[in-house]
Amino acid sequence: QKEVEQDPGPLSVPEGAIVSLNCTYSNSAFQYFMWYRQYSRKGPELLMYTYSSGNKEDGRFTAQVDKSSKYISLFIRDSQPSDSATYLCAMSAGGGADGLTFGKGTHLIIQP
Amino acid sequence: DAGVTQSPTHLIKTRGQHVTLRCSPISGHKSVSWYQQVLGQGPQFIFQYYEKEERGRGNFPDRFSARQFPNYSSELNVNALLLGDSALYLCASNSQGSFYGYTFGSGTRLTVV
Repeated sequence: QKEVEQDPGPLSVPEGAIVSLNCTYSNSAFQYFMWYRQYSRKGPELLMYTYSSGNKEDGRFTAQVDKSSKYISLFIRDSQPSDSATYLCAMSAGGGADGLTFGKGTHLIIQP
Repeated sequence: DAGVTQSPTHLIKTRGQHVTLRCSPISGHKSVSWYQQVLGQGPQFIFQYYEKEERGRGNFPDRFSARQFPNYSSELNVNALLLGDSALYLCASNSQGSFYGYTFGSGTRLTVV
């Protein structure tokens, strides 16, 4: 079993829809949770980060962490064609020695 | 301000050869990490350096090595290249004490033939 599981998709939704992206994990030591967006041929770009459990909102994006279920989510409201990209979840126990552990990434397509 | 810069952007090498990839962090960032991203997968952690010292290492063979220079730039070296080393190699920098503020470069795409 991989430490972080993420459905690779592709996930195709119409413009304006609410998108839900999810990851599950097995390592209970993870405390820092991040979502990155990666466009083709580019490096990952940090979208959201959360420490421990709870919700965080930033514009059209909402990140949720449920440590009891080892489950994290990213919601995108009013999705736009420019949101089409691969979304990667990433996690860390802190300390830096183990780096970030990424999911496989979900390929999202927003249809105009 | 310049972001994380990596060179070269693309590289083709033959099996058995050696390769050196370079990274310049964001100004003021003292920590540099290296990741390998195989097509269709998420990035995998290779190394982290802080203040020129190795602070973490992922599950990669000894053919992979790295170093950080006094100006905080970094090199990743891979010896005895295998076909399976073909990937996008990403460098990330972050400021001291941050466990999540990693900024990634656009990567070096390495193809081993």
